Amino acid sequence: TQLLEQSPQFLSIQEGENLTVYCNSSSVFSSLQWYRQEPGEGPVLLVTVVTGGEVKKLKRLTFQFGDARKDSSLHITAAQPGDTGLYLCAGVNSGYALNFGKGTSLLVTP
Amino acid sequence: DTGVSQNPRHKITKRGQNVTFRCDPISEHNRLYWYRQTLGQGPEFLTYFQNEAQLEKSRLLSDRFSAERPKGSFSTLEIQRTEQGDSAMYLCASSWNNEQFFGPGTRLTVL
Repeated sequence: TQLLEQSPQFLSIQEGENLTVYCNSSSVFSSLQWYRQEPGEGPVLLVTVVTGGEVKKLKRLTFQFGDARKDSSLHITAAQPGDTGLYLCAGVNSGYALNFGKGTSLLVTP
Repeated sequence: DTGVSQNPRHKITKRGQNVTFRCDPISEHNRLYWYRQTLGQGPEFLTYFQNEAQLEKSRLLSDRFSAERPKGSFSTLEIQRTEQGDSAMYLCASSWNNEQFFGPGTRLTVL
């Protein structure tokens, strides 16, 4: 059972468009991470959010942690083909193991 | 490159054979994790070490699986009597705080 639900599961957009992906749970997390994964490779850490309501920016990527620390969103402005990949959210709610969502597969075409 | 490394990157084996994977974490990280990822899924936690002590194991880790971290540095994951259902990407991660950094993974195919 996945504790984290990600939506949409797939997203295909054209270069220059904006998009938002969501990560939702009924559980509270002490921290939440966003990763990006390319085929055949391990996930690469993008950001960690810890405080409810926190907003972090990484160039064209904006991450928000919900006030109750149960959900998060990732917004990409002016998407580029290099943003293509699988975006995974993962949270820790007890112990040290990360609980991952199934991911959002993003395809950005020129 | 001082990231997490895993070997081999790919392994093809026949059902019933034993396989062993190695993970070398980032040198200053005292925590090491193993995850398994199948197609269309996010990674699923298998086990966790703090230094050489194995502190947590998932129920996914059947008795055919064993992991070690003998000197608190590198770790090995062995699967005995492999089954086709073991085919997956096996990922290793390390950390010293809440942020886990992943290696490139070992892709296992069981024929």
